[in-house]
Amino acid sequence: NAGVTQTPKFQVLKTGQSMTLQCAQDMNHNSMYWYRQDPGMGLRLIYYSASEGTTDKGEVPNGYNVSRLNKREFSLRLESAAPSQTSVYFCASSEPPLAGVRDTQYFGPGTRLTVL
Amino acid sequence: KQEVTQIPAALSVPEGENLVLNCSFTDSAIYNLQWFRQDPGKGLTSLLLIQSSQREQTSGRLNASLDKSSGRSTLYIAASQPGDSATYLCAVKGNDMRFGAGTRLTVKP
Repeated sequence: NAGVTQTPKFQVLKTGQSMTLQCAQDMNHNSMYWYRQDPGMGLRLIYYSASEGTTDKGEVPNGYNVSRLNKREFSLRLESAAPSQTSVYFCASSEPPLAGVRDTQYFGPGTRLTVL
Repeated sequence: KQEVTQIPAALSVPEGENLVLNCSFTDSAIYNLQWFRQDPGKGLTSLLLIQSSQREQTSGRLNASLDKSSGRSTLYIAASQPGDSATYLCAVKGNDMRFGAGTRLTVKP
């Protein structure tokens, strides 16, 4: 099992460029998440998907769009990148809490994005 | 709005010491609290998850406690080792997941 994989690992963009961050999980989890991590601020939730076909905004959704392509894949798109979006982006997945199932989130290795 | 605070922001200890990391949160209406470890340049690894109905969880040299009424959790690390050096984050799950900024731990040989 690869767990949660993210591509690319690093990316440099110019202001106004667009790009899509890819995330895939092979644990058959229903829920998937996108976070950003900035120095001294911890992780903040951008968007999440409770199940295939559904997406919801998190704490900081402005400037981002997401697509839950299928159960395995959840992508994050920056339509017009801004320097304020320079950050480390993490994808995570989990199984929703059911009786006897722990709601542990599993994280990918992250994508380090710099917007000039 | 849930706010999660971790104190101290950084901690340096000699090998072998027992230590405590602190996490506080402002809204006690949570489903669970989770402690993660993050190594430099890496993602997060879950260490312990405490359900809101539980008081503590243990895994090896790690023990996490939860006092929901006072909005506090502690992560106790026994007999610290250089390999424990990392950033430790706590996260609380209510309507969404909120993370603290982390405590960067350095264990010196």
